[in-house]
Amino acid sequence: SQTIHQWPATLVQPVGSPLSLECTVEGTSNPNLYWYRQAAGRGLQLLFYSVGIGQISSEVPQNLSASRPQDRQFILSSKKLLLSDSGFYLCAWSTGAMNTEAFFGQGTRLTVV
Amino acid sequence: GIQVEQSPPDLILQEGANSTLRCNFSDSVNNLQWFHQNPWGQLINLFYIPSGTKQNGRLSATTVATERYSLLYISSSQTTDSGVYFCAVGWTGGFKTIFGAGTRLFVKA
Repeated sequence: SQTIHQWPATLVQPVGSPLSLECTVEGTSNPNLYWYRQAAGRGLQLLFYSVGIGQISSEVPQNLSASRPQDRQFILSSKKLLLSDSGFYLCAWSTGAMNTEAFFGQGTRLTVV
Repeated sequence: GIQVEQSPPDLILQEGANSTLRCNFSDSVNNLQWFHQNPWGQLINLFYIPSGTKQNGRLSATTVATERYSLLYISSSQTTDSGVYFCAVGWTGGFKTIFGAGTRLFVKA
């Protein structure tokens, strides 16, 4: 069966420091991969999605970037964190076909101080 | 882009009561999911229901794609049903799943 791993679960980082969040999927090939952010008490905002290695689509201009170095690995990065980057970050995957069911990791709660 | 609206935004129920949550969307979709976000933040898949009706225990969902809405029914609510319920949609020809703002449910014992 397919599983998705996301780490770390919680992270406290100072303003101006770099960020790297990693997400990996097991048990499937060529998944679509997604990064979402959830601000406190709000809905989920799509940040990036990828349909293949090296293919990244950005939804919202911001201080973050994403990379997909391997088929089942998706990384969210920042060179210098801002206070406004705080939030709950969720990785998700779906099968390669368009608009199929999405499954989410357990999330990373990031606090920038 | 497509708009997803959920109602009500907040709901308080007494344990044992029934409820209906609604999701309206502004354009044709070929993917609709309902999720429950638990107090720890984890998103639990409830239904993948681009059209028709499905049931899973005390929960059921109906999507009328031609009228652009979906309903989630919770019967005999329990305190463990508390949390936020999200509707998420994807549209024809795309890969993205867009979320509504959610319905925050609190079930009192």
